[in-house]
Amino acid sequence: KAGVTQTPRYLIKTRGQQVTLSCSPISGHRSVSWYQQTPGQGLQFLFEYFSETQRNKGNFPGRFSGRQFSNSRSEMNVSTLELGDSALYLCASSSTSGARDTQYFGPGTRLTVL
Amino acid sequence: GQQVMQIPQYQHVQEGEDFTTYCNSSTTLSNIQWYKQRPGGHPVFLIQLVKSGEVKKQKRLTFQFGEAKKNSSLHITATQTTDVGTYFCGQTGANNLFFGTGTRLTVIP
Repeated sequence: KAGVTQTPRYLIKTRGQQVTLSCSPISGHRSVSWYQQTPGQGLQFLFEYFSETQRNKGNFPGRFSGRQFSNSRSEMNVSTLELGDSALYLCASSSTSGARDTQYFGPGTRLTVL
Repeated sequence: GQQVMQIPQYQHVQEGEDFTTYCNSSTTLSNIQWYKQRPGGHPVFLIQLVKSGEVKKQKRLTFQFGEAKKNSSLHITATQTTDVGTYFCGQTGANNLFFGTGTRLTVIP
């Protein structure tokens, strides 16, 4: 099976802009979770989608949003970018919801905000 | 809220030495997962522990879940340069994974 793919792999934006990141889960997986990874804060949970519904959300402002399509692919959007949004954004897929199964991570999108 | 404490934050060992990282929770856990992230890579699942006092081994890696299900450890025997990376514990709660800050392991050849 192909692994989790994320596009783009690298992105440079300026403050105030918005960005959309994409994640394609492993075939057959219906859960997609998004994480933000920074050197100072580690891996932080953003939200999880399962069968096109947001199941849970972490403690991030409303500028961070996401959605999931019928083919389980997911997108994450960040509006009005801030310098502090610079991070590695990882998505992970699993076969069931609730993070009780193995999370298969994608390679991540490295976002730099200037 | 749920807190995940992982120690140490950094560890430098000589190749061949042992290494241990600890994960502690303020609450009782239903299960715990361990992941490894190589430099420049993404987290890769290692194992999940579910039962109180559970011990699982993967070659030179030994994973342990505390009797009270509030802590866990990962022990590597006779480290090799391929063990380099950051080891994270992940605790499942409220339908998402709370990750520890990780322990970054450096192995000196």
